[in-house]
Amino acid sequence: GAGVSQTPSNKVTEKGKYVELRCDPISGHTALYWYRQSLGQGPEFLIYFQGTGAADDSGLPNDRFFAVRPEGSVSTLKIQRTERGDSAVYLCASSTRDSLSGANVLTFGAGSRLTVL
Amino acid sequence: AQKITQTQPGMFVQEKEAVTLDCTYDTSDQSYGLFWYKQPSSGEMIFLIYQGSYDEQNATEGRYSLNFQKARKSANLVISASQLGDSAMYFCAMREWSGNEKLTFGTGTRLTIIP
Repeated sequence: GAGVSQTPSNKVTEKGKYVELRCDPISGHTALYWYRQSLGQGPEFLIYFQGTGAADDSGLPNDRFFAVRPEGSVSTLKIQRTERGDSAVYLCASSTRDSLSGANVLTFGAGSRLTVL
Repeated sequence: AQKITQTQPGMFVQEKEAVTLDCTYDTSDQSYGLFWYKQPSSGEMIFLIYQGSYDEQNATEGRYSLNFQKARKSANLVISASQLGDSAMYFCAMREWSGNEKLTFGTGTRLTIIP
């Protein structure tokens, strides 16, 4: 497709369970980002990939969170032993240079809403 | 200190009027970029406009313009001739070049256009 695709759009799970959230970026975009947006807040940076490697994972809150991008395209955000505080919308973005401004502009997906009961 | 501050949690504006959404930022970098995104109720973040710290002219993009005052560290978004479809959350964000490619976002302003 033409945009960033995220699945599932909604995920409800129980405390302590493992979840995976998938992101399919725009074809050809080498940079991929994960953000978390809690209710009433702006998106909060989690991790950034350039190609297959994590260039910056400083935003991951703890070792229960992990993300991979094995072939440099699709990425999966993995959350172990989920907690109620993990409930949020998880946004994925990929980037390219904007033709008008030259800026590295992020294009976001619609997000995966995670609810931990 | 907050890197991006948006002091207006919500704004109501009459249709066809202009509206200014405030954004101030905090950085010690000389090179940085400022972005505005729109988030409708559908949840997707839509890029609106960009201003580089070395750009001498204010950025414009259709009905959107960015009032960039570098000395004051402000980057306010101006929407002219507002439309009902402009009702959404608006986020200001910054990228600092000394770090990496990540964007830091403010808490947003909810804009409601009144018919």
